[in-house]
Amino acid sequence: SYELTQPPSVSVSPGQTARITCSGDALPKQYPYWYQQKPGQAPVVVIYKDSERPSGIPERFSGSSSGTTVTLTISGVQAEDEADYYCQSADSSGTYYVFGTGTKVTVL
Amino acid sequence: EVQLVQSGAEVKKPGESLKISCKGSGYSFTSYWIAWVRQMPGKGLEWMGIIYPGDSDTRYSPSFQGQVTISADKSISTAYLQWSSLKASDTAMYYCARRPRGSGSYYNYFDYWGQGTLVTVSS
Repeated sequence: SYELTQPPSVSVSPGQTARITCSGDALPKQYPYWYQQKPGQAPVVVIYKDSERPSGIPERFSGSSSGTTVTLTISGVQAEDEADYYCQSADSSGTYYVFGTGTKVTVL
Repeated sequence: EVQLVQSGAEVKKPGESLKISCKGSGYSFTSYWIAWVRQMPGKGLEWMGIIYPGDSDTRYSPSFQGQVTISADKSISTAYLQWSSLKASDTAMYYCARRPRGSGSYYNYFDYWGQGTLVTVSS
């Protein structure tokens, strides 16, 4: 089955930049999406279609892609950004959806 | 305002059946796909399957095919996830989520989520 691979954890000091990668063979064909999930809450989309931000999502969140790897960047990390982050996409046919393995972002 | 409101927490025994629900409001329920997502305790998100309430077209993740049934009743704007025989390993939080309207990869994500239903299976 199709998989999206993320690093388990990323640690960053306040004000620094956090980068979270997501790798998958079908990413050149299918758009990636990013979700933030805080403890006890449902996920919230923070990036859609590579690099678009929904209304209400701070500008410090951005997305980029290069081949089979996509990256979520959080510039000027704030304490409130501490959460789990998941990439999400679909298989090459667009039939099956898949979430990445998830990355816990810790703000030191 | 778009809302997905899920049914309350459940505690069941192994072998029992269960059907949980997700009621949509604030939009045309029949025009948007609804997905179900599992999150086991302390683990990541897993896509289970998706249904189009307009015609009940349903797709399952290979990992969940045959293990659960997804359905919808468009007359009451509600989607369902059901099990015929629960196992302890079904203990998890289950979310429903809406896919934006449109075709193609641009829309293959989930813009609104329910609050989650915690299912606990224990003898």
